Amino acid sequence: GQQVMQIPQYQHVQEGEDFTTYCNSSTTLSNIQWYKQRPGGHPVFLIQLVKSGEVKKQKRLTFQFGEAKKNSSLHITATQTTDVGTYFCAGPTGTASKLTFGTGTRLQVTL
Amino acid sequence: EAQVTQNPRYLITVTGKKLTVTCSQNMNHEYMSWYRQDPGLGLRQIYYSMNVEVTDKGDVPEGYKVSRKEKRNFPLILESPSPNQTSLYFCASRWGRDAYGYTFGSGTRLTVV
Repeated sequence: GQQVMQIPQYQHVQEGEDFTTYCNSSTTLSNIQWYKQRPGGHPVFLIQLVKSGEVKKQKRLTFQFGEAKKNSSLHITATQTTDVGTYFCAGPTGTASKLTFGTGTRLQVTL
Repeated sequence: EAQVTQNPRYLITVTGKKLTVTCSQNMNHEYMSWYRQDPGLGLRQIYYSMNVEVTDKGDVPEGYKVSRKEKRNFPLILESPSPNQTSLYFCASRWGRDAYGYTFGSGTRLTVV
């Protein structure tokens, strides 16, 4: 079946450093979504990318969708302790309602 | 407040005792879905529904049942729970249009002993 992998699984940075997580799909995706889950919380939708090569920004977060629509990345500039959590990418497999999540990247930020 | 409400938040039960986890959304969303989250495995989709009376299996449907008799409710039923169903469960809903992601409930932590 379709797989969505993320790397790294875990990253520990000092506050102020940049962070990037990468998402790779075994098949072409019609769109890709990103979610953030704080420790002890539930996933929260951040953004959706639809077009090949699309780049979107949310303050210090930059999301990119690959040209082949099989990979994506999330880059955080100058991390803050509020960025702590697990970041998931997700892509539709089959119908739009069937959403496969990546394995997630856990980000730890220390002062 | 727009939200997805799951109950209970925590549940400890014994093997084989039927249980239902309720899920309700107040946003008139067409799509609803159940996920389980396990360490190292991320979020895996159990079942999903695209509208009333329309449901389909996700990636890990074995041992679970769902129903969608009303648009707002999407209960998850474990007819005969087993210890390998110990997990954190999330219900989620979204519009049918592609521009929106899922809104998740706060989760149900289930322990089967």
